[in-house]
Amino acid sequence: DQQVKQNSPSLSVQEGRISILNCDYTNSMFDYFLWYKKYPAEGPTFLISISSIKDKNEDGRFTVFLNKSAKHLSLHIVPSQPGDSAVYFCAASGRGGGADGLTFGKGTHLIIQP
Amino acid sequence: DGGITQSPKYLFRKEGQNVTLSCEQNLNHDAMYWYRQDPGQGLRLIYYSQIVNDFQKGDIAEGYSVSREKKESFPLTVTSAQKNPTAFYLCASGLNRDGTQYFGPGTRLLVL
Repeated sequence: DQQVKQNSPSLSVQEGRISILNCDYTNSMFDYFLWYKKYPAEGPTFLISISSIKDKNEDGRFTVFLNKSAKHLSLHIVPSQPGDSAVYFCAASGRGGGADGLTFGKGTHLIIQP
Repeated sequence: DGGITQSPKYLFRKEGQNVTLSCEQNLNHDAMYWYRQDPGQGLRLIYYSQIVNDFQKGDIAEGYSVSREKKESFPLTVTSAQKNPTAFYLCASGLNRDGTQYFGPGTRLLVL
């Protein structure tokens, strides 16, 4: 069963507007959540993370929100830029300890329209 | 110039052949990981190592083997027992702290 779910395979947003990418999880043992950005045929690039004891973390144009009661997190990108077009993966750690590997969602392809 | 390197970028495997994918890091990270990505899918964990001379199976370890003789190196062998090896293989390393991992550029494995 999928413990980390990204239910939108793709998302199209106009340049300059806000992009909101969503992620749901089922395992309440997860203690860190991370977002990665990936271009085709390249390795994922770490964007931002959040600890399960927080509900918001901000880094420049990127903000991650965590709602533990709903087991839901979201990544907000404001303003969206053409270079943001990529696949975004939500990931979680802590299923057995901080270094036991990440559990990934299937990704959301973000397309920024000019 | 710290980072993670993977080689080769492309690798071709014949039926019944074992192939080894290289992963090296100079970030002084204790933990290293191997993931596999299939089209339209997320990354799935194959093996991981939290310390030299120790490693653990991930979710899809069957048909793969690893070694961790040096902190900097974590090679992955795709054995002939792996019946569907065609995929994009990604190596990562991390500090055993908050789960943050940093990825190499990947190796595309194709079967002839």
